[in-house]
Amino acid sequence: KAGVTQTPRYLIKTRGQQVTLSCSPISGHRSVSWYQQTPGQGLQFLFEYFSETQRNKGNFPGRFSGRQFSNSRSEMNVSTLELGDSALYLCASSGITGANVLTFGAGSRLTVL
Amino acid sequence: GQQLNQSPQSMFIQEGEDVSMNCTSSSIFNTWLWYKQDPGEGPVLLIALYKAGELTSNGRLTAQFGITRKDSFLNISASIPSDVGIYFCAGPFYSGGSNYKLTFGKGTLLTVNP
Repeated sequence: KAGVTQTPRYLIKTRGQQVTLSCSPISGHRSVSWYQQTPGQGLQFLFEYFSETQRNKGNFPGRFSGRQFSNSRSEMNVSTLELGDSALYLCASSGITGANVLTFGAGSRLTVL
Repeated sequence: GQQLNQSPQSMFIQEGEDVSMNCTSSSIFNTWLWYKQDPGEGPVLLIALYKAGELTSNGRLTAQFGITRKDSFLNISASIPSDVGIYFCAGPFYSGGSNYKLTFGKGTLLTVNP
């Protein structure tokens, strides 16, 4: 059974640009959650999608958005990038919505210059 | 606010030593989870606890769900070099309706000296 796949693994952007990150959950999992990980703040919850609907949202500005497709794959987008957006973005999937046991991908490392 | 306080922030130990780390919450939890993150990877679930007072082992790892439901600890016995990594506690904070957010502690960075 394939795990959670995130692409790209690494990317470098400049301030003001936008970025789209992709996540393919474990087959059969319908819930996808996104987290931002930075050394100072740890893992911060961004949002959760279940059956193409955003079920939960963290305390991030509107520049951070996401969506989920009918095959449960999810994307997150960050517009007008700032230096502070440099982080490891982690995607996790679960069989059901809510705070369940999550299986994480390896993450997408974003560096904003 | 929703807070998980995890301690210690970091530990530097010798191979063979035992390790203990703990987590406290500002809210009562129905679930406590412990994850480990290796460098360059996402967190991996080590132990899940579902009942107050529950003590669960996974090899050299033992975790307990505190009786108050607001705390948990993780012990690692006879540490080995591959135990190096960041250990996170996690629990579900209620966020309205039928929704919960799985919230993580800031992590304990473990270094094992061979």
